[in-house]
Amino acid sequence: DAGITQSPRYKITETGRQVTLMCHQTWSHSYMFWYRQDLGHGLRLIYYSAAADITDKGEVPDGYVVSRSKTENFPLTLESATRSQTSVYFCASSFRDSKYTDTQYFGPGTRLTVL
Amino acid sequence: EDQVTQSPEALRLQEGESSSLNCSYTVSGLRGLFWYRQDPGKGPEFLFTLYSAGEEKEKERLKATLTKKESFLHITAPKPEDSATYLCAVQRIGGTASKLTFGTGTRLQVTL
Repeated sequence: DAGITQSPRYKITETGRQVTLMCHQTWSHSYMFWYRQDLGHGLRLIYYSAAADITDKGEVPDGYVVSRSKTENFPLTLESATRSQTSVYFCASSFRDSKYTDTQYFGPGTRLTVL
Repeated sequence: EDQVTQSPEALRLQEGESSSLNCSYTVSGLRGLFWYRQDPGKGPEFLFTLYSAGEEKEKERLKATLTKKESFLHITAPKPEDSATYLCAVQRIGGTASKLTFGTGTRLQVTL
């Protein structure tokens, strides 16, 4: 089935290690997003990308790096993981409708624990 | 700055007991208001887009309505399978394309 997938689904790592979360979509949507979801904060935007090789910061970008060499992939890297980055991470891509409204479709999430 | 506030934070209903969830928003110009459903351990699932005040959308037991300041998600005769967290989000006209501002959600539990 077409859609958006994330891997791994669960990850446990240690403070200071580099971790990469993968996101792949089969719709050829231009826009892709990374969010983190924490109790009391809801969904917070980390980074987004308008197209291959075009990325920009969201609300909480510190400690994260993204790249987008192909339209379908949008990996998120934690260069040196910290305990405060323990969270659930969601990738999304968006489709623009005839009214120029961008509906976002989400992946299943990656639960990351940093010890 | 765009703001979305959802209430109540949590709601417990008995099966068949109808109710409404509220989403109040502040945005300089509304491009669209979105409702999502999120089950535990899963990503948000798109339900509806509302574009302008007065618009209504329905899907099974859910009906979403929109005014200039808020949106309601009405749940008629809910069933236990309607238990989930419901998220509201807005997209602003003229903002950075595609970015949404989300509320923190209403956690709904429907019991037998």
